[in-house]
Amino acid sequence: SQQGEEDPQALSIQEGENATMNCSYKTSINNLQWYRQNSGRGLVHLILIRSNEREKHSGRLRVTLDTSKKSSSLLITASRAADTASYFCATDIMDSNYQLIWGAGTKLIIKP
Amino acid sequence: NAGVTQTPKFQVLKTGQSMTLQCAQDMNHNSMYWYRQDPGMGLRLIYYSASEGTTDKGEVPNGYNVSRLNKREFSLRLESAAPSQTSVYFCASSEGDSRYGYTFGSGTRLTVV
Repeated sequence: SQQGEEDPQALSIQEGENATMNCSYKTSINNLQWYRQNSGRGLVHLILIRSNEREKHSGRLRVTLDTSKKSSSLLITASRAADTASYFCATDIMDSNYQLIWGAGTKLIIKP
Repeated sequence: NAGVTQTPKFQVLKTGQSMTLQCAQDMNHNSMYWYRQDPGMGLRLIYYSASEGTTDKGEVPNGYNVSRLNKREFSLRLESAAPSQTSVYFCASSEGDSRYGYTFGSGTRLTVV
């Protein structure tokens, strides 16, 4: 089964609301990364959080990491229509230097 | 900056045909990757190149070959295409190993009929 699993699979909210997506994983990691993919486009790197970090911010994005629960969350505050996309977490598991393990993604729809 | 450039963007092949997907990056990154993305699944690594002159198999290498032509270019070849290889293919690059974020190309949508 997949290392990283996002929850929920799909999320639809009103513009201006906050969106929270979660990622769970199974084995110890070096870091966890979040990416965004707009429809028909490539993935864009958002944030990388290392295993010794608990929280990281970038603009309207906030990522938390709880290694005891093997989970991470991505919070997008004050959502905009342009945030409509799929969001993926990818885990860098220990002893696998070049192989990120990807979840199936959360599809986020922001309604105007 | 162009970042990672993939060609072609779309391709339709008949079963048994061959083709090469091209990828080039202009960020002086050491590592390059080929992934496939299928509906409802996460990205799956086909092959990667940790540095110029090296290539290694990923999770799903069967039916594919790669060439790291130089530091900039990393190509993916399908020798005899099969319908199971219908997918969207992404090339990515990074400064080094998976401790670094990846930069992705815009993808190649391949259909094998």
